[in-house]
Amino acid sequence: NAGVTQTPKFQVLKTGQSMTLQCAQDMNHNSMYWYRQDPGMGLRLIYYSASEGTTDKGEVPNGYNVSRLNKREFSLRLESAAPSQTSVYFCASSEALKGGYTFGSGTRLTVV
Amino acid sequence: AQSVTQPDIHITVSEGASLELRCNYSYGATPYLFWYVQSPGQGLQLLLKYFSGDTLVQGIKGFEAEFKRSQSSFNLRKPSVHWSDAAEYFCAVGAFSSGYSTLTFGKGTMLLVSP
Repeated sequence: NAGVTQTPKFQVLKTGQSMTLQCAQDMNHNSMYWYRQDPGMGLRLIYYSASEGTTDKGEVPNGYNVSRLNKREFSLRLESAAPSQTSVYFCASSEALKGGYTFGSGTRLTVV
Repeated sequence: AQSVTQPDIHITVSEGASLELRCNYSYGATPYLFWYVQSPGQGLQLLLKYFSGDTLVQGIKGFEAEFKRSQSSFNLRKPSVHWSDAAEYFCAVGAFSSGYSTLTFGKGTMLLVSP
């Protein structure tokens, strides 16, 4: 029972490089989310996808793009990485708000 | 817009002592409320949730929380803390916006357990 799988687990980028963070869920959930976690800031929503084919901005979308590839997969892309994007990124999925979210184990990204 | 405040950044509790972590929320309607726990280097695990009914909810690992509408609070409690409870705890409020639902998280409370 994998739940939510994120790849890679760790990544170091140079300023200006691009990369895509991958997320896949096997629970047949409709909604998926990307959060970033920074010390003392809690989790902040970057983008979400309420259902396949839709995406919306969250609280901190600048510098990111997303793709809901199919019902299972939701990727986060950094086109030109900046040191301010050094963070831990979490993907989550849910079927309905009442059930809460199921989180992946995170991607620790460092931009130098 | 909804918001969550966790007033305590760090709390230290002796093993075997009781625990209460505070959470206050701001939301115009009846909220959906959650507590999550995060161990170092791990993702977030759902402890318990409230969306209607009995205001005292039971969760996993012996935790419980009480919803108090008059105080806009949803405090997490445990009668006897174990060393394995040391972790960071996040309160979250769920709300609907433009037909979609998202969770807003507090900044977290780090629980330290002393021998």
